[in-house]
Amino acid sequence: AQKVTQAQTEISVVEKEDVTLDCVYETRDTTYYLFWYKQPPSGELVFLIRRNSFDEQNEISGRYSWNFQKSTSSFNFTITASQVVDSAVYFCALKRDRDDKIIFGKGTRLHILP
Amino acid sequence: DSGVTQTPKHLITATGQRVTLRCSPRSGDLSVYWYQQSLDQGLQFLIQYYNGEERAKGNILERFSAQQFPDLHSELNLSSLELGDSALYFCASSEGTGPVGYTFGSGTRLTVV
Repeated sequence: AQKVTQAQTEISVVEKEDVTLDCVYETRDTTYYLFWYKQPPSGELVFLIRRNSFDEQNEISGRYSWNFQKSTSSFNFTITASQVVDSAVYFCALKRDRDDKIIFGKGTRLHILP
Repeated sequence: DSGVTQTPKHLITATGQRVTLRCSPRSGDLSVYWYQQSLDQGLQFLIQYYNGEERAKGNILERFSAQQFPDLHSELNLSSLELGDSALYFCASSEGTGPVGYTFGSGTRLTVV
C-alpha cells in the first residue's frame, strides 16, 4: 500500500528562522514520484516540486530546498530564513508510475511569526 | 490563474439536498481528478476521469457520482447531503499518465447546514 506520513501537524517558528518539514513515504514500487504542494490561507493548492525515484539529488530553489533520501524513504523540505508569507499548510505527496492519482499526506500547518 | 476553473466557489445547502460542482480542466489536459479536503481527513482522492472514461476510484461515497463530458469538463454530484459532507472539494487536471503532477483549481467550499 502507498502511504505518506507528515508527522508534524503544526509548527510555529519566528521569522528568519530555518524550518524543516518532514515527509516519510511508503511504497513497494521502484518507480514513483514525490511532490510538495503549498496551501496558503487563501485555500488554493500550489505545486512546489516533483522528484522521481531515480533522482536523489537535493534541490534548491531560492530559500526552499528538498532532501530526498531513498534509504530512509524521506523527502524533507527546508525553508531557509523563513518569512511570514511562508505561512501555509504544506502537503507531501506520492504517485506511483503505474497510477495517475496522487496520494497526499495530511499536511503540516506552518506558522511564521513576525 | 492555474487554468483549472471550478464553480461555484462557495455553496451552502441543507441536509438531504443535492448539489453539482463543476470543473473545467486546463487546456489540453485529458485527466480530471476530484479530491475532498476535510479538517480531519486531509486530501482524499475521490475519482479520476480520463478523456471521458472513469479511470480510478478512491474513497467516493455511493451518494456521490461524477462524469466527464465530451468537452472534458467534469461534474461532481453530491446527493442526500449530510453535515459531514461539508468540505473543500478540489478538482485537478493533468495531461494524463507519467511523471506529471496536477494543476489544481481553487476549490469549492461546500457547507451543509
